[in-house]
Amino acid sequence: DAGVIQSPRHEVTEMGQEVTLRCKPISGHDYLFWYRQTMMRGLELLIYFNNNVPIDDSGMPEDRFSAKMPNASFSTLKIQPSEPRDSAVYFCASSLRGHYEQYFGPGTRLTVT
Amino acid sequence: AQSVTQLDSQVPVFEEAPVELRCNYSSSVSVYLFWYVQYPNQGLQLLLKYLSGSTLVKGINGFEAEFNKSQTSFHLRKPSVHISDTAEYFCAVRVGFQKLVFGTGTRLLVSP
Repeated sequence: DAGVIQSPRHEVTEMGQEVTLRCKPISGHDYLFWYRQTMMRGLELLIYFNNNVPIDDSGMPEDRFSAKMPNASFSTLKIQPSEPRDSAVYFCASSLRGHYEQYFGPGTRLTVT
Repeated sequence: AQSVTQLDSQVPVFEEAPVELRCNYSSSVSVYLFWYVQYPNQGLQLLLKYLSGSTLVKGINGFEAEFNKSQTSFHLRKPSVHISDTAEYFCAVRVGFQKLVFGTGTRLLVSP
């Protein structure tokens, strides 16, 4: 199994630009999670989906952030416009209903200058 | 709300020495607990989990953890660490149906 796939692995962009992060969950998993990791705030859950439907987006910091899951094998996290404080590592994770453990991707390191 | 507290932000230890990383959880029914490891520049990887049954849980890479209900703890232990165990370790608890809440992490530094 390929595991959770994220792209790009690194993204450097200028303030004000749109950023799109991508995630492919493990095949067959029906939950998908987006996390953000920073030194100051640790690992934060941003949003999660069940069967492609957003269940809880209470962790999304503000309207500049949006996430979609158009099908079971693909999700995006978009930041528009990006700001330097968005610099972080963004992780995608997936899990199978009833199994609770989450499988993480390698992350996308975002730097906004 | 359920949460976990990792009491040590950093634990230095010499190679081949035993180590314990501490985690306390807020009390509730049906506690499901997890330990994850994050190696530099990588995602989190599941080390072990406690869902029910035996309170001593064995995981990968020689790690084990003990669920202690009376002390609301789930400490991670390894009898002899290697340089390659240098990483960040996260304790997590299930909240709601499928969500996990993670602790702030403990950085394990193994030196020769």
